[in-house]
Amino acid sequence: DIVMTQSPDSLAVSLGERATINCRSNQSVFFRSNNKDCLAWYQQKAGQPPKLVLVWASSREAGIPDRFSGSGSGTDFTLTITSLQAEDVAVYYCLQYFTLPYTFGQGTKLEIK
Amino acid sequence: QVNLVESGGNVVQPGESLTLSCLTSGFTLKNYFIHWVRQAPGKGLEWVAVVSHDGKETHYAASVQGRFSVSRDNSKNTLYLQMDRLTTDDTAFYYCARPFFDTLTGFQYYFDHWGRGTLVTVSS
Repeated sequence: DIVMTQSPDSLAVSLGERATINCRSNQSVFFRSNNKDCLAWYQQKAGQPPKLVLVWASSREAGIPDRFSGSGSGTDFTLTITSLQAEDVAVYYCLQYFTLPYTFGQGTKLEIK
Repeated sequence: QVNLVESGGNVVQPGESLTLSCLTSGFTLKNYFIHWVRQAPGKGLEWVAVVSHDGKETHYAASVQGRFSVSRDNSKNTLYLQMDRLTTDDTAFYYCARPFFDTLTGFQYYFDHWGRGTLVTVSS
């Protein structure tokens, strides 16, 4: 199985500042058929199901503010939230969908400092 | 719009069985694989199982292999997760999730729609 490891486990950032969450896989999730990385980011707020934020490591889903961005390739990925807003408080998960079993990172709890 | 609604969650004792349902609407179910993902209270997300569009192919997480079984009835727009020999480690919210379907390639990828989940509590 592909192991996904996120860092840090928790993060406190001031409003308007940048938040950076990392995700590392223990093997490449690069899909040669479309030259993209099979890496998604989800946001989960308390009492809600996960919400899709980014796919293919860096493509924002419809309706996601442009302060959310993703980068990385192969095995190392980053979710960046520029100018943190109060509504961004949540737990963020990375997911590899390169192969079954799909695997998630353990989650990063993002709070306001 | 796309909708998935899980049901069947309950409180059961260790060793007992339970069947969850996932009722779908707003899309052509027979075209999609459907996944089950669970989340223990206060914990992270864990992929559990997937069933192919026609129900002929299934895959399971090692933690549930041999105890859980996924099936579907496309005529009823419903998926099922049969859970046997439950343990306290199976206590979780169970979500059904639909993958994004690339109609050009036929591949299905990340989860783009989720239900709201149903809670299974295994306790003596």
